Amino acid sequence: EVQLVESGGGLVQPGGSLRLSCSASGFTFSSYAMHWVRQAPGKGLEYVSAISSNGGSTYYADSVKGRFTISRDNSKNTLYLQMSSLRAEDTAVYYCVKAGSSWSLFDYWGQGTLVTVSS
Amino acid sequence: DIQMTQSPSTLSASVGDRVTITCRASQSISSWLAWYQQKPGKAPKLLIYKASSLESGVPSRFSGSGSGTEFTLTISSLQPDDFATYYCQQYNSYSLTFGGGTKVEIK
Repeated sequence: EVQLVESGGGLVQPGGSLRLSCSASGFTFSSYAMHWVRQAPGKGLEYVSAISSNGGSTYYADSVKGRFTISRDNSKNTLYLQMSSLRAEDTAVYYCVKAGSSWSLFDYWGQGTLVTVSS
Repeated sequence: DIQMTQSPSTLSASVGDRVTITCRASQSISSWLAWYQQKPGKAPKLLIYKASSLESGVPSRFSGSGSGTEFTLTISSLQPDDFATYYCQQYNSYSLTFGGGTKVEIK
């Protein structure tokens, strides 16, 4: 059974930093691209970032480019999102998502971790 | 970026109704469209991919159609478990985008 478990969310002040982690199990982690998608409270889904299966390629939405860094450790089956220069508008539930038959199709989602940016 | 527009934003329906949700893309995305279902407090779940392919384990009352810029998600006979919010997502370009969502409510 595929499981994706996010951690690392919490309350952070504007301008601060936070690192999210996603522990994966139930599939060959090193064979799949992985993504982060977020959802602000009461709002829709927003794509954040992607990383290829070997970590050699990354992609960022314009809204987070230059502030967020996606990475992965295939030896630990773990995906990361390093977030810096956080803003109030980054407040959201962050989902770790596994790619499916296409690198950009999301077939399994974690339960999400809430990041709140507030003073 | 490709903009995805869903309609309606809210839909009131009864159990047993046939329900149709529309998703329009700002430019052609061929058939690179997926549909997700999200219930309150839960992660989204993949229902349909490549516009009309049913994800494994998804009930056959869900179907998708369309290509190019116009797509539909149809629930043939609405069940109590189907009251949720539905999102379309294009995966034609690297800049992936979602529609704004359609909330299906009990009438």
